[in-house]
Amino acid sequence: GQQVMQIPQYQHVQEGEDFTTYCNSSTTLSNIQWYKQRPGGHPVFLIQLVKSGEVKKQKRLTFQFGEAKKNSSLHITATQTTDVGTYFCAGKRGNTPLVFGKGTRLSVIA
Amino acid sequence: NAGVMQNPRHLVRRRGQEARLRCSPMKGHSHVYWYRQLPEEGLKFMVYLQKENIIDESGMPKERFSAEFPKEGPSILRIQQVVRGDSAAYFCASSSRDRDNEQYFGPGTRLTVT
Repeated sequence: GQQVMQIPQYQHVQEGEDFTTYCNSSTTLSNIQWYKQRPGGHPVFLIQLVKSGEVKKQKRLTFQFGEAKKNSSLHITATQTTDVGTYFCAGKRGNTPLVFGKGTRLSVIA
Repeated sequence: NAGVMQNPRHLVRRRGQEARLRCSPMKGHSHVYWYRQLPEEGLKFMVYLQKENIIDESGMPKERFSAEFPKEGPSILRIQQVVRGDSAAYFCASSSRDRDNEQYFGPGTRLTVT
């Protein structure tokens, strides 16, 4: 079945450093979504990417969807302590359910 | 606040008991999804429902688990004869249209089986 892999599993950064998490699907996706989950909280939708090669920005966050629509990345510039949490990608293919990666847990050291 | 509501937030059950988890979707949303999350893991899809219909239950264990979304009232995820391995966080999400739309998650129910 469809699999979505995310790396790294954990990332510790100093405040102000950049952070990137990568998402790879075993199959071509129709779209990819990104969610953030704070410790003890629930996932919160960040963005959806649909087009091949699409790049979207939200303030310090940059999201990319690969040309082959099988991979994606989330890059955070100059991390802040408020960025702490686990970032999940979730891939969609046709009418199949969203498949979530295991997430990248980001910790930011002030 | 018209967000997704789940209750209870924490539920403790002994092995063999039944667990009932409730989810009220966001106002105007008619699509409900249930996910399970184990510690340090991602979210695993369980079931997708619309009012009075189960659309996709491919992620539901065949035994002991059932879900409904009646015409009136919240969606219910029911786990019969719980076992320790059922301990997890169960999240409900809702969306407004088809499954491609962003999903709004509830706060989750943390189930502990003792």
